Amino acid sequence: AQSVTQLGSHVSVSEGALVLLRCNYSSSVPPYLFWYVQYPNQGLQLLLKYTSAATLVKGINGFEAEFKKSETSFHLTKPSAHMSDAAEYFCAVERTGANNLFFGTGTRLTVIP
Amino acid sequence: ETGVTQSPTHLIKTRGQQVTLRCSSQSGHNTVSWYQQALGQGPQFIFQYYREEENGRGNFPPRFSGLQFPNYSSELNVNALELDDSALYLCASSLSGTRNTGELFFGEGSRLTVL
Repeated sequence: AQSVTQLGSHVSVSEGALVLLRCNYSSSVPPYLFWYVQYPNQGLQLLLKYTSAATLVKGINGFEAEFKKSETSFHLTKPSAHMSDAAEYFCAVERTGANNLFFGTGTRLTVIP
Repeated sequence: ETGVTQSPTHLIKTRGQQVTLRCSSQSGHNTVSWYQQALGQGPQFIFQYYREEENGRGNFPPRFSGLQFPNYSSELNVNALELDDSALYLCASSLSGTRNTGELFFGEGSRLTVL
């Protein structure tokens, strides 16, 4: 069954620095992959998704992710962190034929002024 | 466009009690999924409802049950509450269709504490 692993439960970056949040997937078939963001005391919001079209996916708020089959990775990046980016980020994979998502354990991003 | 709304936002129950959580889906969405998010964890799929029928279930015991109504709103019921049921329960609505499951729209959740 498809799954994802997020490396690093906490990431701290300085304001203006590069954001890199890591996600590796496990799937025997071409996966559909997603990044969601959760702000404190809120539900999850879709940042971006990969559905086997372009391997570089652009999302909201300046985030993007690159699907790398050779590395089974789907890392999330943003060139310049903003204070408002502080949140919990979840990588997820669609369970083929199961009609639901498997979420990683999340990475909490802290942005230091 | 009305978003996903959940109620109640917070509630406290004791072990053995029963709880009902409610969800109104986003306008135009016909599918509702429920997820459990324990503290410090990612959301885990409980089940999904489409056309008032259960359309997939995760690894949760039968004491977790649900309903979907003709207006696509939904309820999550948990019987015989256990301490480990303490979590944020998230409802997500979507529009059924080919490979469209990733387009989930989440509510803000119902935080359940079991004492």
